[in-house]
Amino acid sequence: EVQLLESGGGFIQPGGSLRLSCAASGFTFRNYAMNWVRQAPGKGLDWVSTLSSSGSATYYADSVKGRFTISRDNSKNTLYLQMDSLRVDDTAIYYCTRYVRFNDYWGQGMLVTVSS
Amino acid sequence: EIVMTQTPLSSPVTLGQPASISCRSSQSLVHSDGNTYLSWLQQRPGQPPRLLIYKISNRFSGVPDRFSGSGAGTDFTLTISRVEAEDVGVYYCMQATQFPLTFGGGTKVEIK
Repeated sequence: EVQLLESGGGFIQPGGSLRLSCAASGFTFRNYAMNWVRQAPGKGLDWVSTLSSSGSATYYADSVKGRFTISRDNSKNTLYLQMDSLRVDDTAIYYCTRYVRFNDYWGQGMLVTVSS
Repeated sequence: EIVMTQTPLSSPVTLGQPASISCRSSQSLVHSDGNTYLSWLQQRPGQPPRLLIYKISNRFSGVPDRFSGSGAGTDFTLTISRVEAEDVGVYYCMQATQFPLTFGGGTKVEIK
């Protein structure tokens, strides 16, 4: 059974940093691209970033480019999202997804709250 | 950026009756490889999204056959043939033909 489990969220002040992790199981992690997708409270879905299976190709939404870094450790079956210079409008639930030109599996999500 | 526009915003339906959601893209979603990367997701209250349909019309594993997808180019439709109580939630279309990946704004399905 495919499982994705996010961790690392919480409350942070504007300008601060957080690193989200997504532990994957139930599939051969190194063979799949992965995404981060976020959802602000009461709002719709918003793509954040994509990382290729090897880690060699990365894509970012303009809203996070230069502040967020996606990475993976295929030996640990884990996806990461390093979030720096956080802003109030980054407040959202962050979902890790498996990506095969569609998001076929989703984690339960991790809430990140940016507030002073 | 490809803009995805969903209508209606809200769809009150009677149990057992059909429901349809439209999704229109600002440009063709046909990829150079010949595929059209349009998918549909369901998000029940308090739950993460769940994949229903991929590449326009392919039902994902475990999805009931009352859900179907259709369309081509820039116009797509999700149809629920007979709405059940468990279908309440918000439905999103998403395109993955080009970056940035973009979602429709969502359509809320509720029971009358």
